[in-house]
Amino acid sequence: GEDVEQSLFLSVREGDSSVINCTYTDSSSTYLYWYKQEPGAGLQLLTYIFSNMDMKQDQRLTVLLNKKDKHLSLRIADTQTGDSAIYFCAESPSGGYNKLIFGAGTRLAVHP
Amino acid sequence: GAVVSQHPSRVICKSGTSVKIECRSLDFQATTMFWYRQFPKKSLMLMATSNEGSKATYEQGVEKDKFLINHASLTLSTLTVTSAHPEDSSFYICSAPSGIDEQFFGPGTRLTVL
Repeated sequence: GEDVEQSLFLSVREGDSSVINCTYTDSSSTYLYWYKQEPGAGLQLLTYIFSNMDMKQDQRLTVLLNKKDKHLSLRIADTQTGDSAIYFCAESPSGGYNKLIFGAGTRLAVHP
Repeated sequence: GAVVSQHPSRVICKSGTSVKIECRSLDFQATTMFWYRQFPKKSLMLMATSNEGSKATYEQGVEKDKFLINHASLTLSTLTVTSAHPEDSSFYICSAPSGIDEQFFGPGTRLTVL
């Protein structure tokens, strides 16, 4: 079946790195995504990784994919207060044209 | 990047009334759009896939007669919550794929049924 799991809460100090973890079950997923949701707002695509990659870096964001363990992580370097939000991991079995299966979201709180 | 809008952003209605939510792709065409529902502190749950020119595909457990979906054009999909009840209060979000590997999400509509 399809299931995506995330820890619900993460608290970090401003300037530190944040690591948000996600596990998924559908090994056929071709794309894996990280979305950010700020209070009262819609989802913003942060980054995505194709399943044949094991790492992708985009400025302060680093995505690591362990396909064997079906584990995905998002690392935010030099975390800022503006990074406080809910981060959703999502998988898509057939790419962007298909439905996305979301995790419950990890609430990131950044404190001084 | 591509933009998806939703209207209204917030709606409050009385129990028993129907509410229509619009989802528009502003600078690209979308033959498919998706409707999600988000409960407080919960994940987004896919409700249905809206298909331009044909019937929507509903996920298991979603009432077709309750949540009417119409994809009238390549840039517009509407979700109508019929005979709304307080348990229908939620955050409704639409998305539209643009390209092979990306979906763009609308800002969401918060529905409160009194």
